[in-house]
Amino acid sequence: SYDLTQPPSVSVSPGQTASITCSGDTLGDKSASWYQQRPGQSPVLVINQNSQRPSGIPERFSASKSGNTATLTISGTQAMDEADYYCQAWDSSLPLFGGGTKLTVL
Amino acid sequence: QVQLQESGPGLVKPSQTLSLTCTVSGGSISSGGYYWSWIRQHPGKGLEWIGYIYYTGSTYYNPSLKSRVTISVDTSKNQLSLKLSSVTAADTAVYYCARGPGLVATVFDYWGQGTLVTVSS
Repeated sequence: SYDLTQPPSVSVSPGQTASITCSGDTLGDKSASWYQQRPGQSPVLVINQNSQRPSGIPERFSASKSGNTATLTISGTQAMDEADYYCQAWDSSLPLFGGGTKLTVL
Repeated sequence: QVQLQESGPGLVKPSQTLSLTCTVSGGSISSGGYYWSWIRQHPGKGLEWIGYIYYTGSTYYNPSLKSRVTISVDTSKNQLSLKLSSVTAADTAVYYCARGPGLVATVFDYWGQGTLVTVSS
């Protein structure tokens, strides 16, 4: 089966830049989306499959891809960005999620 | 603003069928343009897509759950439903309904608040 691999945790200091990676075989041929899930809340789409931010998502969220690795970047990280982040891509008609990365803002 | 609300029993006995309903407001399922999904999250774990349905009734299920899953839609009530049969403790999870994928934007752009279903005798 197709897997998307994310680091379990990433730590960042307030105001600094956080980078969360998502790797998968042939991910370079696919589009990745990103979701934020704050504790006790539902996931929220922060980056769509075109690497664009939906309305209401701060500009500090951006995404890129190099080879088979997609990266979510949060510039000027704020305490409110502390959450779990999931990448998502499609394998044929099957949506797959990465295992999630817990972002800690210390 | 599209809103989704899951409802159903919070406790299901092993071997029984889990049944949940998702009521959509602020948008019509029958307008088309989007599939509607069920996604679950085991306690402390990641997201697992269960399946999606179009307003026409066309469905696609996660192969790992396909033999036990039925998703249906009631356009008159603007609802979608999930049935998962022969449940075990491994089916204990928060179940979300979500709008998506879209026919253009292949993302899940609106989510319900989720409902915790515990499988236990």
